[in-house]
Parts: sequence; C-alpha cells; structure tokens
Amino acid sequence: LAKTTQPISMDSYEGQEVNITCSHNNIATNDYITWYQQFPSQGPRFIIQGYKTKVTNEVASLFIPADRKSSTLSLPRVSLSDTAVYYCLVGDARTGNQFYFGTGTSLTVIP
Amino acid sequence: DGGITQSPKYLFRKEGQNVTLSCEQNLNHDAMYWYRQDPGQGLRLIYYSQIVNDFQKGDIAEGYSVSREKKESFPLTVTSAQKNPTAFYLCASSIGRERGSRTQYFGPGTRLTVL
Repeated sequence: LAKTTQPISMDSYEGQEVNITCSHNNIATNDYITWYQQFPSQGPRFIIQGYKTKVTNEVASLFIPADRKSSTLSLPRVSLSDTAVYYCLVGDARTGNQFYFGTGTSLTVIP
Repeated sequence: DGGITQSPKYLFRKEGQNVTLSCEQNLNHDAMYWYRQDPGQGLRLIYYSQIVNDFQKGDIAEGYSVSREKKESFPLTVTSAQKNPTAFYLCASSIGRERGSRTQYFGPGTRLTVL
C-alpha cells in the first residue's frame, strides 16, 4: 500500500491559486491518485481523481508527471470557504485499496 | 435524498460499556468502511466490508466489532476492550470493485466521548 507525504500546512490569500503537492514514490502500476477535502467535524469529500497527466473538474485540477511519483492538486482562486484539510490517497481503484489518509495538508485561506 | 447517515451525532459512554454506532447508506454501494479520527490526525481504518456477510480488519481493529447483514447497514460496536475510544468515527461507502473507481462517500460522523 503506497504511502503518501504532504506538507502539514499551507497559507494562502484569497483569490490566489493554491498548489498542494503529494509525494508517492512507491505508487504501483494500477494505483490511482485521489484527493479529498475535509472540514472540521465533517466527513471527507471527494475532490478529484486521476491516473496520469492532467485531470480537471469544476473545482480543481490534478497534475501528475510521467513517473507518477508525485501529484499536485491545484485550487484556482481560493476563497475563505476553501480553508480545510486536504488528503492525498494512492491505491488500486479495482480493489478499493485506498485506505491510507495520512495527516493531510491543512490549508488556511487568509482574507 | 441519497447518501450515508450516521447516528447519533454525539454519543457519551461510561467506561466499561459497549456502544454501537449506526451507519446506513441508500446509494446501493457494495463496500462500506469505518474510520477513526483523533484530533489533528488523519483517518485510520478500523474495518471494511466488500460485500454482505463479509468484512476485514483494518489497521486498528482491536476493541471493535462489526456486522454486515444487509447491504445498506454496517454498524460498529465499540467494546469495553477498546482502551481509548474517545474519537470521531466516520463511516464511508463505495461502489463495487467491478464498477469503477471506488471513490469513498462519507457520512457526517459520530463523535464518541467516554466519561
């Protein structure tokens, strides 16, 4: 089960783009990369998932280099409501082995 | 309104008592999970179930038990053998292994406090 490493915390001003990088050196061939967002006293919420290159949806983009040993979650023009903990998970989507949440990255958006 | 429900939201227990946390989903998901979260920490897997009548231990199963008699329900019992049960408990579900990415959908959580 591939473990992940993320920065413990980050600060950003409102309106800026935020990039959170996750390191996963032991990622396996069948592993996908998934990011979740968690607000205090709530369950995590799915943000985005990808396998390689770039994935974009209405809330974020996910950049994955060719070697897949890291990934970067990009949040465009953050607002105060984006203050949360962001978790990067790596696992085999077919078997559901995406259980290691780690401590995540605590993002604080400053007015 | 589809989703995962957990009850109660807050639960208080005396030391030495067993307590059962409820988790129900109407998403028709095959797999269900239980996690524990301590303050300032990430989620740690307690138990998971891929199908009805089957479940596996996660990283911290000691002192906990589960059952999966129905697809919709995955209750977690915190037994008196769990030495430090005060925590935030999260239930999640995902679709079956043949049907996609296994993204997990989480309930609102139950905060358990042992008095």
